[in-house]
Amino acid sequence: DTEVTQTPKHLVMGMTNKKSLKCEQHMGHRAMYWYKQKAKKPPELMFVYSYEKLSINESVPSRFSPECPNSSLLNLHLHALQPEDSALYLCASSQGRRAGVQTGELFFGEGSRLTVL
Amino acid sequence: KQEVTQIPAALSVPEGENLVLNCSFTDSAIYNLQWFRQDPGKGLTSLLLIQSSQREQTSGRLNASLDKSSGRSTLYIAASQPGDSATYLCAVHVNAGNMLTFGGGTRLMVKP
Repeated sequence: DTEVTQTPKHLVMGMTNKKSLKCEQHMGHRAMYWYKQKAKKPPELMFVYSYEKLSINESVPSRFSPECPNSSLLNLHLHALQPEDSALYLCASSQGRRAGVQTGELFFGEGSRLTVL
Repeated sequence: KQEVTQIPAALSVPEGENLVLNCSFTDSAIYNLQWFRQDPGKGLTSLLLIQSSQREQTSGRLNASLDKSSGRSTLYIAASQPGDSATYLCAVHVNAGNMLTFGGGTRLMVKP
């Protein structure tokens, strides 16, 4: 099973709402990622968790709050977003390795399409 | 800082043609390189992973090569089909940390 599952597939929220995106994998991977992708652009890295610890935060605004409750789950909490935050949010996982060095293939989910009104 | 470039940005070919997509990167100190396919509005599907010690990988009609010293990778698609129409992205893993840097992608259209 090489599947990364993301929910919801589509989300529409107002600028004052609080919502969450969820990601799950059961491949035993220990590195999990959040990427943001705007139309016709490549994915941009937001956060990396390695062994359930946040290892990389690419200067993402605090209105995006990641959480890794366990090695299989990754959440992205959203609050007070702006219309320009509308994008496809992609979760990925890989085997991972200690000392922060990534190894192996990245597997992506289908993404959550977020629209902020 | 690692920069990844893909040429061409868009490509339209008739069905049955063999084609080559190009990827170049500025820092040869990579851990590995991965090719992805993305259909409109969908996630990324991994096609091939080439470790830094490897020269090429093959999967079906796809063949990817890697030349670290020149900072280049190519994805060769044999006997293209309309179902191959998608955006193809290459991405490199840098050695230090869990960083994956993407190229801008090549949008491929294969016409019946």
